[in-house]
Amino acid sequence: EAGVVQSPRYKIIEKKQPVAFWCNPISGHNTLYWYRQNLGQGPELLIRYENEEAVDDSQLPKDRFSAERLKGVDSTLKIQPAELGDSAVYLCASSTGGMYGYTFGSGTRLTVV
Amino acid sequence: SQKIEQNSEALNIQEGKTATLTCNYTNYSPAYLQWYRQDPGRGPVFLLLIRENEKEKRKERLKVTFDTTLKQSLFHITASQPADSATYLCARPPGQAGTALIFGKGTTLSVSS
Repeated sequence: EAGVVQSPRYKIIEKKQPVAFWCNPISGHNTLYWYRQNLGQGPELLIRYENEEAVDDSQLPKDRFSAERLKGVDSTLKIQPAELGDSAVYLCASSTGGMYGYTFGSGTRLTVV
Repeated sequence: SQKIEQNSEALNIQEGKTATLTCNYTNYSPAYLQWYRQDPGRGPVFLLLIRENEKEKRKERLKVTFDTTLKQSLFHITASQPADSATYLCARPPGQAGTALIFGKGTTLSVSS
C-alpha cells in the first residue's frame, strides 16, 4: 500500500503568488484532512472532507485558501495569494473515521519569500 | 475550548533507560487519546490509542496510561534506543464544536548511545 501521497514535497514561492498542493489518500478512506504545522507546533486542522463534502472548514482562511476533493478521492489545497505567514508544512491525512488513527502523508513544506 | 498540552518540549536520555512523556488535557475527559511519532521531514505516524476506560495499553516496548483523575496520559518507551529519537505527539478527539483530532505541540526525544 502506497500510503497517503502528497506533492510537491517542497515549494518556494514569492509572496502574492499562488500555490497548490495535491493529496492522494489511502484507497477506501472516506475521510480526508488538511492540517498545517508550523515549526515546533502540532498539526492544526484546516479542513475535513467526508467523501467529496467539506464538513468542517471553520479554520480555513477562506479569503485566500480554497480546497476541493473531486469524486471523493484526490484533494487539492490552494493558496492565492500567498503571504509570508503561510510558510509551514501542509499535511494531508486520511482515515476510515471514528476513533481510528489517521494516516498522514509526508507533507509539503512551503516557504514564502 | 478543548486543549491538550505536552509541557516538555525536549527530553534527553541515555540508551537503555525508560523515556516518559507527559500529555495533559483540559475540560472534559476525552473518550480516548492517541499517540503519534513524527520524524524530521515526515508526517506523524499513529502508534497507539488508549480508551478512557483503559488504565494502560502496551505495544512492544511502548506503554501508555490514561489517568482521568489527573487528566493526564503518560507515554513510556522502555529500553530506549537511538532509533527512538523523534518527536512524539499526543492527540485528543474534538469537543462538540470540532470534527478532527486536536494535537499537542509534541515532545522531542533524543536518545544518546
